Amino acid sequence: DSGVTQTPKHLITATGQRVTLRCSPRSGDLSVYWYQQSLDQGLQFLIHYYNGEERAKGNILERFSAQQFPDLHSELNLSSLELGDSALYFCASSVGAGFGEQYFGPGTRLTVT
Amino acid sequence: DQQVKQNSPSLSVQEGRISILNCDYTNSMFDYFLWYKKYPAEGPTFLISISSIKDKNEDGRFTVFLNKSAKHLSLHIVPSQPGDSAVYFCAAPAYNAGNMLTFGGGTRLMVKP
Repeated sequence: DSGVTQTPKHLITATGQRVTLRCSPRSGDLSVYWYQQSLDQGLQFLIHYYNGEERAKGNILERFSAQQFPDLHSELNLSSLELGDSALYFCASSVGAGFGEQYFGPGTRLTVT
Repeated sequence: DQQVKQNSPSLSVQEGRISILNCDYTNSMFDYFLWYKKYPAEGPTFLISISSIKDKNEDGRFTVFLNKSAKHLSLHIVPSQPGDSAVYFCAAPAYNAGNMLTFGGGTRLMVKP
């Protein structure tokens, strides 16, 4: 158990819908990262928040957005969902914003039908 | 552009023997590398890391070797155990991009009893 929690574990929704994925980092970690794992793309970085502020964006679509709240939990919002958005979404956390290991949550499996 | 590559999608070894997983990278700015292990339906679990100031780091049965001139690293597992069967990812953080991790495509290790 990494100490990172993600809810829900599974999500099935229809195209065009909007969903919110939630992540709670390990106690004491200020950074939260979101990654997407799809069959053909592997693990891809989406976005990084540190202590409430966005630090970096990766291959994140404009239909996707995220935020980190004062209690340090984070939410990833996915809207206008398409079939291709079906993937595993992982959240990771680390103590700081730089050098160091990232600890991953169990992931949310999103299926868009 | 795949900056971190794992050219072997799968590897099968006998229990008790050595497992060697390889990883190549192209970005000479990478100076820290991590290995993660992933079981099905779970998030990646941090295994071991190495800084570019070292060429070897050991933790129990796991040793990572770094050859900077060849831009190559390898993970050795000795002795291999059936519980080591998982997908192994090498990764490198890009500090100029919010510490995002760039992952290789993964190698599925199967340890046969």
